[in-house]
Amino acid sequence: DAKTTQPPSMDCAEGRAANLPCNHSTISGNEYVYWYRQIHSQGPQYIIHGLKNNETNEMASLIITEDRKSSTLILPHATLRDTAVYYCIVRALTSGTYKYIFGTGTRLKVLA
Amino acid sequence: AAGVIQSPRHLIKEKRETATLKCYPIPRHDTVYWYQQGPGQDPQFLISFYEKMQSDKGSIPDRFSAQQFSDYHSELNMSSLELGDSALYFCASSGVGKPPETQYFGPGTRLLVL
Repeated sequence: DAKTTQPPSMDCAEGRAANLPCNHSTISGNEYVYWYRQIHSQGPQYIIHGLKNNETNEMASLIITEDRKSSTLILPHATLRDTAVYYCIVRALTSGTYKYIFGTGTRLKVLA
Repeated sequence: AAGVIQSPRHLIKEKRETATLKCYPIPRHDTVYWYQQGPGQDPQFLISFYEKMQSDKGSIPDRFSAQQFSDYHSELNMSSLELGDSALYFCASSGVGKPPETQYFGPGTRLLVL
């Protein structure tokens, strides 16, 4: 299973962009990169996913390097409600299903 | 939009008792996953089901069993509960279709074993 590495914590000023990096140097060619966040013991919330192209939705943007060994999640205008643990996950395909292997994530604190 | 429903949301049990957690996936989703998150830990995959058949198994204790029913809801049965089973239990569901079949998580069941 491809593993991910994320910084344990980051701070970001409210209203500024939050850039959360993730390293997944052992990713294979058909594995997707997913981002979820977990706010205070709630269920993990899906944010965005990508394969090799950059992606954007109403919540965030995902930038994947050309060699696919790393990616960055961008929250363009962080608010206090974005304070959460952010997980970068490379989906592992085993036995025909796609279990998620959670790493330690990045604890993002948005500061007023 | 309809989300994953889990019940109960909170459960308190004594050691050696049994517990049953239920998960109702998003309509038309046919795959269910169970995760366990201990205090201060990250979610760990337990087991998954696709079309009512077990499809993958993670670090699920032998005291636990699960199944998926014909309406696609799933139940996680936990017996001989131990203090260490106190955790958040999340269910996630995904649908058939082209990859990547994103998983959507429920709000979780918080189990406390005394």
